[in-house]
Amino acid sequence: DVKVTQSSRYLVKRTGEKVFLECVQDMDHENMFWYRQDPGLGLRLIYFSYDVKMKEKGDIPEGYSVSREKKERFSLILESASTNQTSMYLCASRAPAGGGQYFGPGTRLTVL
Amino acid sequence: GEDVEQSLFLSVREGDSSVINCTYTDSSSTYLYWYKQEPGAGLQLLTYIFSNMDMKQDQRLTVLLNKKDKHLSLRIADTQTGDSAIYFCAERRGGSGNTGKLIFGQGTTLQVKP
Repeated sequence: DVKVTQSSRYLVKRTGEKVFLECVQDMDHENMFWYRQDPGLGLRLIYFSYDVKMKEKGDIPEGYSVSREKKERFSLILESASTNQTSMYLCASRAPAGGGQYFGPGTRLTVL
Repeated sequence: GEDVEQSLFLSVREGDSSVINCTYTDSSSTYLYWYKQEPGAGLQLLTYIFSNMDMKQDQRLTVLLNKKDKHLSLRIADTQTGDSAIYFCAERRGGSGNTGKLIFGQGTTLQVKP
């Protein structure tokens, strides 16, 4: 079974802090994704990566950056956290061809 | 429009069938997916269908695809209380091979009453 893990289930940070959210997958998938999920807005794609050291902006990249130094790890960085970044953050990796995306359990981030 | 649309809420009785509907927008989408999200958890891939198919069955789940109307449905037979969750449909847009991205609907909350 594919396993996608995220470094924290719950995180509380203060406005202006730099925040790192880590995601690791164990299936050698090339594609990895970061979403945020908010009530009434569904899932919105922040960034994705097709391979090591590659990154592409999703639909809402502002205020975020990413790092993909190793194939199995995809990090989301909030350079200076703001209260409107309080959300559930979901990481996913995708199997080749038509395979679906496999999601981690999510990190619920609260920015005070 | 750009959106993948789903009704927000469905309530059924235990043992009945549930049908969750979705309309998507891109006729060139290659794959369509159904995900389940239980409270406090990430999304779990339930099933997917390739765009050249019109039906796929997997145990209690049946996916129907009407490509002409861009309509996708998920039928759950003999619905159980453990099926209570939010169900998301998603279409895969753009790219080829190993690229492209998923566009998700807002999710349908399925409530199963005993």
